[in-house]
Amino acid sequence: EVQLVESGGGLVKPGGSLRLSCAASGITLASSSINWVRQAPGKGLEWVAYISGGFIYYADSVKGRFTVYRDNTKDSIYLAMTSLRVEDTAVYYCARASSVSVNYFDYWGQGTLVTVSS
Amino acid sequence: QSALTQPASVSGSPGQSITFSCTGTSSDVGAYNYVSWYQQHPGKAPKLMISDVNNRPSGVSNRFSGSKSGNTASLTISGLQADDEADYYCSSYTTRSTYVFGTGTTVTVL
Repeated sequence: EVQLVESGGGLVKPGGSLRLSCAASGITLASSSINWVRQAPGKGLEWVAYISGGFIYYADSVKGRFTVYRDNTKDSIYLAMTSLRVEDTAVYYCARASSVSVNYFDYWGQGTLVTVSS
Repeated sequence: QSALTQPASVSGSPGQSITFSCTGTSSDVGAYNYVSWYQQHPGKAPKLMISDVNNRPSGVSNRFSGSKSGNTASLTISGLQADDEADYYCSSYTTRSTYVFGTGTTVTVL
């Protein structure tokens, strides 16, 4: 059974930084295409970032502030968030893009809550 | 990248069929057959229901089906059941190699 687990969420002040982690069981993240998707309280889903092999893409709303990278020695994916804003408050999910077609997300973690507030 | 447009809410009685839309542009929904649909119950992670416009993953009921015409995709739920009550989001791969989600539709079973 495939499971994704996010960690690292918490309360941070505006302008601060935070690093989220995504770990997995049942799959190897080093060979997976992984996305970060967020959901602000009471709002819809918003795609944030994607990493696959040497390809990395970001949503315009986080470009220049967020960095997604992998550590193959730990088989983990990270989302480093800097210059955080109140509007970055959300549950952050890591989701695998299907190994058959990267056009959809077949496995999701349970999410980790990031709260940006003074 | 603007969110895809979905109706805010749709309702139906048990056993009925409902269909709701997901409208994008020629840069996302209209560009490829790469529309997917996700179901989300309160406090839970999204669950893939439909991939690549009309493919059902293993384990998803055949009461769920998808279609697309031009820049608009649709999800149909037939034989509506109480457990279908949830939020539904469409998503599309885009010509910028990014993804975009829809605004979300809340399905209510009357």
